[in-house]
Amino acid sequence: SAVISQKPSRDICQRGTSLTIQCQVDSQVTMMFWYRQQPGQSLTLIATANQGSEATYESGFVIDKFPISRPNLTFSTLTVSNMSPEDSSIYLCSVALEGVSSNYGYTFGSGTRLTVV
Amino acid sequence: AQSVTQPDIHITVSEGASLELRCNYSYGATPYLFWYVQSPGQGLQLLLKYFSGDTLVQGIKGFEAEFKRSQSSFNLRKPSVHWSDAAEYFCAVGTGGGADGLTFGKGTHLIIQP
Repeated sequence: SAVISQKPSRDICQRGTSLTIQCQVDSQVTMMFWYRQQPGQSLTLIATANQGSEATYESGFVIDKFPISRPNLTFSTLTVSNMSPEDSSIYLCSVALEGVSSNYGYTFGSGTRLTVV
Repeated sequence: AQSVTQPDIHITVSEGASLELRCNYSYGATPYLFWYVQSPGQGLQLLLKYFSGDTLVQGIKGFEAEFKRSQSSFNLRKPSVHWSDAAEYFCAVGTGGGADGLTFGKGTHLIIQP
């Protein structure tokens, strides 16, 4: 399975500012996924990032608010823009790696705990 | 679009007792099903997954799950729980192929009584 390094692990930010979260994978992957986990809630997919193309956003998430970069096959960033307290969440990146018999395993980073004050 | 329902928000089990966490999914094609565990302040750890084949899947930490297509279910079981099993458990469904992200259920919070 892949090892994912996510930075920062946590941050406290002022409203109206932006935070960029980095996700580094120890192997090349085609797709990287970004999720949000609001306090006490489940994970919701924000977008899928494919290297060399624009990210694909899920309903309710827009590029202006959550711009994503994917410069190569091992790295991606998610920016949370113009933050408000409602953006306080854990943000996680994830990758899917093909295993035996084409079974895919999804590995998750340890997450970025964001608090907006 | 796919969806996942975990009917139980909280479950309390005595240490040493058996456990079953319920998961129902909705997806038009063959689902790819996962169970993850999240301990407080920790990341997500994969317990087991089902893609095809034997409908009874063995995972880590003594967990198993059974896929029942007729019931659209993928329930997680453990014969004897340990205090360290207290955590949040998430069931998730994928469309396969690794090109799409996962859809998660709302989670079940497991409490272990001594």
